[in-house]
Amino acid sequence: QVQLKESGPGLVQPSQTLSLTCTVSGFSLTSYNVHWVRQPPGKGLEWMGVIWSGGNTDYNSALKPRLSISRDTSKSQVFLTMNSLQTEDTGIYYCNRNSAWGQGTLVTVSS
Amino acid sequence: DIQMTQSPSSLPASLGDRVTITCRASQDIGNYLRWFQQKPGKSPRLMIYGATNLAAGVPSRFSGSRSGSDYSLTISSLESEDMADYYCLQSKESPYTFGAGTKLELK
Repeated sequence: QVQLKESGPGLVQPSQTLSLTCTVSGFSLTSYNVHWVRQPPGKGLEWMGVIWSGGNTDYNSALKPRLSISRDTSKSQVFLTMNSLQTEDTGIYYCNRNSAWGQGTLVTVSS
Repeated sequence: DIQMTQSPSSLPASLGDRVTITCRASQDIGNYLRWFQQKPGKSPRLMIYGATNLAAGVPSRFSGSRSGSDYSLTISSLESEDMADYYCLQSKESPYTFGAGTKLELK
């Protein structure tokens, strides 16, 4: 059974760095791509980036300067790191593989 | 980047109505178009992939179609459980891009 689960700090101070983990089960990261998608409160979905099965990455053009996605295949984990956080980065962050989505993790940027 | 223009942003409808939501792509995306449904407090659910293919477990009243650069999601007879937000996503090339979303609500 394919499962993804996001985890992270919940609260991040402005200008600080966000680190999230997506732990997957039921499939290998070397065979499937994993995407990150976020959603500000009351707003639409925003595609953030992807780590392809081969290990390469692609990013949302607007977020690319401060976003990084990596993985540890031995631990079945995908990592999202984004620096210089601002209040507009507040929202729910999801990881996703095709039709399977994590439950999402709420990130609040506030002092 | 490929832009996806989704319309309408809000769609009031009655139970039993036939409703259609549309996304227009700014460049050729072939059939690399997915539709997602999202209910409040829930993760998105894949409804349509490859522009016209029904995802597993999706009721047959949902369908997807393409006309040139216009992609449509149609619900043939609206049920109460269909009230949700809907988003298109182009997956032809990175960066992938979502449409702005359509809120389907009861009239």
